[in-house]
Amino acid sequence: GESVGLHLPTLSVQEGDNSIINCAYSNSASDYFIWYKQESGKGPQFIIDIRSNMDKRQGQRVTVLLNKTVKHLSLQIAATQPGDSAVYFCAEALHNTDKLIFGTGTRLQVFP
Amino acid sequence: EPEVTQTPSHQVTQMGQEVILRCVPISNHLYFYWYRQILGQKVEFLVSFYNNEISEKSEIFDDQFSVERPDGSNFTLKIRSTKLEDSAMYFCASSESYSGANVLTFGAGSRLTVL
Repeated sequence: GESVGLHLPTLSVQEGDNSIINCAYSNSASDYFIWYKQESGKGPQFIIDIRSNMDKRQGQRVTVLLNKTVKHLSLQIAATQPGDSAVYFCAEALHNTDKLIFGTGTRLQVFP
Repeated sequence: EPEVTQTPSHQVTQMGQEVILRCVPISNHLYFYWYRQILGQKVEFLVSFYNNEISEKSEIFDDQFSVERPDGSNFTLKIRSTKLEDSAMYFCASSESYSGANVLTFGAGSRLTVL
């Protein structure tokens, strides 16, 4: 069935290092992908998105890579900061649908 | 920055009671959503709402659930007779267009505890 999953439930990095959070999706019909950050007690916060006609998109300190061949999505955070500590979710949307399908989440812990 | 606001932040109710969760979406947004997150699990889609009607709903959104936009600003989720398994964080979201084409902005959530 349709699913979005994450390889690593917890990722610990040192402040200043780069972080890479991975996500696998199974529905080849998905054409829109988003990364959300969720801090404790808050709702998901948009980080960056990418459409299926692209394979890379950069934001401020973040880069999303999409590999449609292996149905893989990753989020790269440069120079990770303590404020980046949160749970990160990938989500996918099928073309012309209303719903997002979320992955299970990866907790990012940043150590000084 | 515009935000989606939700009330209450936390509600405790007895099993079988009715609950209404309220949301004020971003004012120029046209699409509204409810998602839920059971503790420690992923965020799950419940329902989407556009032009005063449900546009899509999940299997979770059974007859116990209903949504309404009563006054042009509020967007509510009603659970008619709560069950223990309804305990979760409920997130409202809104977007300018449907979620496959535009970014959803989420509220901070309403935590529902059913005893």
